[in-house]
Amino acid sequence: ETGVTQSPTHLIKTRGQQVTLRCSSQSGHNTVSWYQQALGQGPQFIFQYYREEENGRGNFPPRFSGLQFPNYSSELNVNALELDDSALYLCASSLAGDSTDTQYFGPGTRLTVL
Amino acid sequence: AQSVTQPDIHITVSEGASLELRCNYSYGATPYLFWYVQSPGQGLQLLLKYFSGDTLVQGIKGFEAEFKRSQSSFNLRKPSVHWSDAAEYFCADSGAGSYQLTFGKGTKLSVIP
Repeated sequence: ETGVTQSPTHLIKTRGQQVTLRCSSQSGHNTVSWYQQALGQGPQFIFQYYREEENGRGNFPPRFSGLQFPNYSSELNVNALELDDSALYLCASSLAGDSTDTQYFGPGTRLTVL
Repeated sequence: AQSVTQPDIHITVSEGASLELRCNYSYGATPYLFWYVQSPGQGLQLLLKYFSGDTLVQGIKGFEAEFKRSQSSFNLRKPSVHWSDAAEYFCADSGAGSYQLTFGKGTKLSVIP
């Protein structure tokens, strides 16, 4: 069984740039969620994708957007990067219809905005 | 809105000692509760979960947690801590039918040899 994978591992961008982060879900899972974890904080929910559509969104501005592909992999796009976007971005996959909605996390992408 | 509180920011225990990490949740109806562990620079690993049934749940690495509805708590325990348990621990709640995990701020565990 393949777990959740994310790429790249680390990324450095400058303020105002755009970034794309990628996630491959665990085999058999069809739902992907993205979280932002600032230093010293717990993860904050950004959004979830199911059947290639956004299924729910946290308190993040529209410059955070995403995609899910037919193979259930996903991208997180952030436009007009701000210094506060520096964080660990975590992807989690789950199986819709699983009675407990258990989410399994990838290793994360560390984004630094200068 | 759901909230999860982990009152202890940092706990230090000696190797071999017992451990209890506290977690309180606010969602009243049907909480789905989870404990995750995060090693430095890593993602989150699921330790255990509770959604119904027996209020004492067993997880991986010798951890267990007890759900107490009367106290809105879901504390994590381990009878004997190993040095490799040093990490940050997060409690999370999704609530029945919710797609969103709400996390506490985490408790950092340090283990003295």
